[in-house]
Amino acid sequence: EPEVTQTPSHQVTQMGQEVILRCVPISNHLYFYWYRQILGQKVEFLVSFYNNEISEKSEIFDDQFSVERPDGSNFTLKIRSTKLEDSAMYFCASRDREFVGNTGELFFGEGSRLTVL
Amino acid sequence: AQTVTQSQPEMSVQEAETVTLSCTYDTSESDYYLFWYKQPPSRQMILVIRQEAYKQQNATENRFSVNFQKAAKSFSLKISDSQLGDAAMYFCAYRRGFFYNQGGKLIFGQGTELSVKP
Repeated sequence: EPEVTQTPSHQVTQMGQEVILRCVPISNHLYFYWYRQILGQKVEFLVSFYNNEISEKSEIFDDQFSVERPDGSNFTLKIRSTKLEDSAMYFCASRDREFVGNTGELFFGEGSRLTVL
Repeated sequence: AQTVTQSQPEMSVQEAETVTLSCTYDTSESDYYLFWYKQPPSRQMILVIRQEAYKQQNATENRFSVNFQKAAKSFSLKISDSQLGDAAMYFCAYRRGFFYNQGGKLIFGQGTELSVKP
């Protein structure tokens, strides 16, 4: 069964460093998302991406964050200068378009744990 | 703005028994989808069940069923014949429907941690 894959599974970085989290969405999907989950808390939406541009972003997704789909397969989340509060699990998700009989459910990757020291 | 509320941070059930997890949501939209996701200790979010708002019939997937009360904006999950493998965090989620746009972000509730006792 096709799946969303994420790398790395865990990254430890120093405050102020740049981090890139990578995702390979399911190949025929058109919509891509990043979510984050601070330990023990709810899953929060960061950004959605469609047709090579951001379609929606949350207040969390400030200028320190960026997303890119550089080669038609990978979908990356970059944090330019990490802060302690960026420590969280970051989930990538993708989905197909909606049509009658298909709710376009999101498929999630296993997450990338980011620890900022 | 749409919100999703899960008022039960933790629930416990005896193996083979039935448990119901509560979820309420707030929206002014008429076209939307509701989901229950399971997050086991492995952390990956797994879809358990979905409900289209325009459907009156409650969704069912094997041991999992929902009680969708559209007027009350309630969407509870019932797990029958609970198994040890059902132990996980369960998230209720809302998504705008096809009518509005194709952006499709999920809005999650706070989650309910379900433990299953042998």
